[in-house]
Amino acid sequence: AQKITQTQPGMFVQEKEAVTLDCTYDTSDPSYGLFWYKQPSSGEMIFLIYQGSYDQQNATEGRYSLNFQKARKSANLVISASQLGDSAMYFCAMPLGYQKVTFGTGTKLQVIP
Amino acid sequence: KAGVTQTPRYLIKTRGQQVTLSCSPISGHRSVSWYQQTPGQGLQFLFEYFSETQRNKGNFPGRFSGRQFSNSRSEMNVSTLELGDSALYLCASSSGGQAKNIQYFGAGTRLSVL
Repeated sequence: AQKITQTQPGMFVQEKEAVTLDCTYDTSDPSYGLFWYKQPSSGEMIFLIYQGSYDQQNATEGRYSLNFQKARKSANLVISASQLGDSAMYFCAMPLGYQKVTFGTGTKLQVIP
Repeated sequence: KAGVTQTPRYLIKTRGQQVTLSCSPISGHRSVSWYQQTPGQGLQFLFEYFSETQRNKGNFPGRFSGRQFSNSRSEMNVSTLELGDSALYLCASSSGGQAKNIQYFGAGTRLSVL
């Protein structure tokens, strides 16, 4: 069965510095994808970035990039030049089937001025 | 392009009552999924609808039900509310053509059961 593990319940980062949020996964499916979502205190889940298992390059979206290491089954999110607005919960997720997505337990990121 | 709209944003109900939550997907999206988020259990998948048909279902009791209309709008119903149903209910929409479509979420409905 697919499983997503996020081992960092909380992280602190200084404003303007980079931070890496860890995510490991387990799946027997040879073709899969991984998402990262951001959830501010308002509650809305905001899509950040997607990585497909057969993508040749690591995904990037603005200040967000994925450090995808297929052999290690890890898909860590890197946020460069952190901003105060980056303070939020971050979830790693994987689709299991028809739009059924399994989520990790999340990492609470706090950006310090 | 308007995002996913969930109404109402907040609800307060008492045990034993029933509740209906609404979700309007992004225009053109035919798949709507529902999730329950609680501090103890995290995010859990409830069910997914595509073209008015339920394609996938999570491990929730039959008190949780849903439906989708021809315009892709979806409703979720919880009958005989229990204290443990207090949660943030999130709706997500996608084009739904394949399992790995990106899901876009609404702001959620925060339900409190007293």
